[in-house]
Amino acid sequence: LAKTTQPISMDSYEGQEVNITCSHNNIATNDYITWYQQFPSQGPRFIIQGYKTKVTNEVASLFIPADRKSSTLSLPRVSLSDTAVYYCLVGDNDYKLSFGAGTTVTVRA
Amino acid sequence: EAGVTQFPSHSVIEKGQTVTLRCDPISGHDNLYWYRRVMGKEIKFLLHFVKESKQDESGMPNNRFLAERTGGTYSTLKVQPAELEDSGVYFCASSQEYAHTAGDYGYTFGSGTRLTVV
Repeated sequence: LAKTTQPISMDSYEGQEVNITCSHNNIATNDYITWYQQFPSQGPRFIIQGYKTKVTNEVASLFIPADRKSSTLSLPRVSLSDTAVYYCLVGDNDYKLSFGAGTTVTVRA
Repeated sequence: EAGVTQFPSHSVIEKGQTVTLRCDPISGHDNLYWYRRVMGKEIKFLLHFVKESKQDESGMPNNRFLAERTGGTYSTLKVQPAELEDSGVYFCASSQEYAHTAGDYGYTFGSGTRLTVV
């Protein structure tokens, strides 16, 4: 499994854009990049998944450069309710999701 | 649709006792997974069911843990006898596809059962 590195924590204010970058230098050709969000006392929740370039949904955008050795999750105009832990996962046809420590994002008023 | 339901949400038991955790996956999801996070550690895979069959239980810590999935529907995870190091949060997840390329929705996790062994 490709190892991922992401910041331990990030602080932001309401209305700002939050960008979390994840490094995955040894990503394999067949690997996808997936992000999960976890609120306190809840299980992880799927946010977005991509393979290359840019993916956007109603929650976030995922930017993946051509070399795919990193990816950036972008949360537009965060609110207090976006305070959570965000996990970057990399893998292919593998059901064993490998969660790292994640990035704790704290949004302040 | 209803999400993944786990019961109980919290359980406090004494060392040496038995506890059974239950997971009801999303209806129609053949794949069911158990994960757990022990204090201060990362979320780790325990095992994977496809319908009623165990596909992979390589993450189960030892033989004190027994998982079953009756008729391919709900699943139970029994810890017998419980030890202090079993304390943590146990998550269940389900999916239709069983890969990272699980469509647009990935895996759906339950809220977890917080187990405290004293």
